[in-house]
Amino acid sequence: DTAVSQTPKYLVTQMGNDKSIKCEQNLGHDTMYWYKQDSKKFLKIMFSYNNKELIINETVPNRFSPKSPDKAHLNLHINSLELGDSAVYFCASSNSGGLSYEQYFGPGTRLTVT
Amino acid sequence: AQSVTQLGSHVSVSEGALVLLRCNYSSSVPPYLFWYVQYPNQGLQLLLKYTSAATLVKGINGFEAEFKKSETSFHLTKPSAHMSDAAEYFCAVTFTGNQFYFGTGTSLTVIP
Repeated sequence: DTAVSQTPKYLVTQMGNDKSIKCEQNLGHDTMYWYKQDSKKFLKIMFSYNNKELIINETVPNRFSPKSPDKAHLNLHINSLELGDSAVYFCASSNSGGLSYEQYFGPGTRLTVT
Repeated sequence: AQSVTQLGSHVSVSEGALVLLRCNYSSSVPPYLFWYVQYPNQGLQLLLKYTSAATLVKGINGFEAEFKKSETSFHLTKPSAHMSDAAEYFCAVTFTGNQFYFGTGTSLTVIP
């Protein structure tokens, strides 16, 4: 079974559209994250949820809205997509109460805005 | 402020040669340190981690890293590079388990 899964894997859409990316983890972790990786491979944290509560909200346009219906899911909704939103988006999870804190990453969603 | 610096955005080694990827951190509290590998078109995979136990940490695929507090470093090494090691490598640090700081990545090329 996949530990952290994301859907869709690829997303091609036009400017101005609204789209969502879904993430699920079956590791029993209490913390989930969204990262954006640009074309230079730079990873930027966007959001972090712990037990369904938002704990990290970096400087991200408010067109991006995360939603965590339960501890195992963290979805990302993006309104009014722009060309600059094209990137690979990674979901990750970790256990904040553990001894080692390592994050487990999903396979990524490659978003292309045309 | 806590951060991670990876020296060298691109490293090339010959097949069979030593791999050395550098990572330095800045912190006022004890860190948890990680190395992740990203193969093309894939997510990040944990290579190894330091969690205040042994300072020399062994990971998967023959990689290891040594935590040196005096140098605030956590460099990644592998004695003999293999073609399959070609990938992007990220160093990361956390102090609380909620906020992670990633380096800018090092792209490793292995020359046959």
